Amino acid sequence: AQSVTQPDIHITVSEGASLELRCNYSYGATPYLFWYVQSPGQGLQLLLKYFSGDTLVQGIKGFEAEFKRSQSSFNLRKPSVHWSDAAEYFCAVPDSNYQLIWGAGTKLIIKP
Amino acid sequence: GAGVSQSPSNKVTEKGKDVELRCDPISGHTALYWYRQRLGQGLEFLIYFQGNSAPDKSGLPSDRFSAERTGESVSTLTIQRTQQEDSAVYLCASSLARADEQFFGPGTRLTVL
Repeated sequence: AQSVTQPDIHITVSEGASLELRCNYSYGATPYLFWYVQSPGQGLQLLLKYFSGDTLVQGIKGFEAEFKRSQSSFNLRKPSVHWSDAAEYFCAVPDSNYQLIWGAGTKLIIKP
Repeated sequence: GAGVSQSPSNKVTEKGKDVELRCDPISGHTALYWYRQRLGQGLEFLIYFQGNSAPDKSGLPSDRFSAERTGESVSTLTIQRTQQEDSAVYLCASSLARADEQFFGPGTRLTVL
């Protein structure tokens, strides 16, 4: 069965520092891959998605993610975080029935 | 409408009562999903509607949970005889087609006393 793993429950970074959130999946074929963000008091919003083509995907709010087939990973990155990036981040992959399987989420804490 | 809307935004109920949660998807979106998110946890899939096809109910945790959708419009999630463990935020999402980007509503926070 397909699965999505976000190994870090919490990550704390200083404002202005770089960020990488990890996502690993198990899937037979090349998957579609999504990153969503859930900000406090707000709904889930799509950050970026990979369907095919260039393995480096640009998203909103300065985020990017790289699909690495050999590592079954789709890590989310940002070169310099802002306090407003404090939120929970979810990675998701559709299963064989095209239902999204969600990671458990990584909570990002920004130190001033 | 601009996005997915859900009502009510908050619902407090007593154990054993029935509740009904409503979701208005984005117009033209054929796919509609219900999820449950317990405090501090990820999303738990409940049910999926695709057009006029039979819904995928594989995520419903018990027969106390049911959902309906008329065509490609409003959906209602009903929880009968609520229990305290049903307390969570219930999220609705819609998409143009399955495996496409899902657009989420703000959720309904259900508290069962």
